[in-house]
Amino acid sequence: GAGVSQSPSNKVTEKGKDVELRCDPISGHTALYWYRQSLGQGLEFLIYFQGNSAPDKSGLPSDRFSAERTGGSVSTLTIQRTQQEDSAVYLCASSLRRDNSPLHFGNGTRLTVT
Amino acid sequence: DQQVKQNSPSLSVQEGRISILNCDYTNSMFDYFLWYKKYPAEGPTFLISISSIKDKNEDGRFTVFLNKSAKHLSLHIVPSQPGDSAVYFCAASEGGTYKYIFGTGTRLKVLA
Repeated sequence: GAGVSQSPSNKVTEKGKDVELRCDPISGHTALYWYRQSLGQGLEFLIYFQGNSAPDKSGLPSDRFSAERTGGSVSTLTIQRTQQEDSAVYLCASSLRRDNSPLHFGNGTRLTVT
Repeated sequence: DQQVKQNSPSLSVQEGRISILNCDYTNSMFDYFLWYKKYPAEGPTFLISISSIKDKNEDGRFTVFLNKSAKHLSLHIVPSQPGDSAVYFCAASEGGTYKYIFGTGTRLKVLA
């Protein structure tokens, strides 16, 4: 079956503009995560969705970042008024259940803010 | 504070030899650990996991060892192949939770 799909694969934007990144998780996976990887860094947790529960937004770095998940499936990560430090690879992952279940990652969106 | 640490940013190994990638953690409540492999321009791919009730898990050429008292885990790849050249991340989670904490990765280069 299809894996986690992310779009766009690359995005170049000017500082101050808003961007939307999209994630299609694996069908049937109830858990959805956003991580980001900055140059030379590990994977930084951003946000977690599980079913209809309230998301865990504790990793979002500022109020310019927001995410939603519609119908328990597709998710959109929005970054408003982008800054150069937002440049990173944004990775989406889904998993079958809440815990002790491997994450399956998409190929990421490489965001460059000029 | 980095709860999951991979202190070796890179490692080179000859083809056919053993590759050993190390990972240390500080949170004694972590009880589920995973290893991922990442090629350039691709997302991380799940390799192998281990629960804290075990000290070893094997899958083909990949074996993960867990030393709870030392808060240390390692991934052994034997024999190493050029296609294993990638960045390897370890990750950990605390019992019953969903938040996986990742290390900064180790770049493995297997020389032909």
